[in-house]
Amino acid sequence: GIQVEQSPPDLILQEGANSTLRCNFSDSVNNLQWFHQNPWGQLINLFYIPSGTKQNGRLSATTVATERYSLLYISSSQTTDSGVYFCAVERHGGATNKLIFGTGTLLAVQP
Amino acid sequence: AAGVIQSPRHLIKEKRETATLKCYPIPRHDTVYWYQQGPGQDPQFLISFYEKMQSDKGSIPDRFSAQQFSDYHSELNMSSLELGDSALYFCASSSGRHTEAFFGQGTRLTVV
Repeated sequence: GIQVEQSPPDLILQEGANSTLRCNFSDSVNNLQWFHQNPWGQLINLFYIPSGTKQNGRLSATTVATERYSLLYISSSQTTDSGVYFCAVERHGGATNKLIFGTGTLLAVQP
Repeated sequence: AAGVIQSPRHLIKEKRETATLKCYPIPRHDTVYWYQQGPGQDPQFLISFYEKMQSDKGSIPDRFSAQQFSDYHSELNMSSLELGDSALYFCASSSGRHTEAFFGQGTRLTVV
């Protein structure tokens, strides 16, 4: 099956700092999403981005499908950004509905 | 906007008991996914349904079964519960294939 790796596994930032999270995947994809799992366990949709670049406030994401990676940028981080960031992908081709999660990046933003 | 509804939110069961988790997708969504997330782990894909038919199967134990009903809601049935089944169970829904999936708030199952 498709492999999804995220880096770094852990990240500690001071409030106001910027960061880049990376997601590498081993096969062509039809779907790529970024999620934030907050300390209460809720999975919050950040981006649906199988290719291209999107921005939403302090967050932006870029997926380079031909090179099989995606980046999530967090600018001017806030303590409320803390939590686990997951990317999840769906392999290209076939009649499938199987969103596979990466291993996640645990982000802690300190005041 | 309507979201994915899961019930119950919390469930405590004893070993060897059965449990049924329910998922109500976003209106007009025809695809449902089920995931299991253990402590400190990433969500693991269990099973998915598209238009009331099983679409894909992941690492779902034989003790678990699921189905999607005519109104598109889905149920995950878990029998002979083991301590290791304690986890957060998520349901997600999407419209069609390869489109954005939205997750419910999860059911936290504790097996004692």
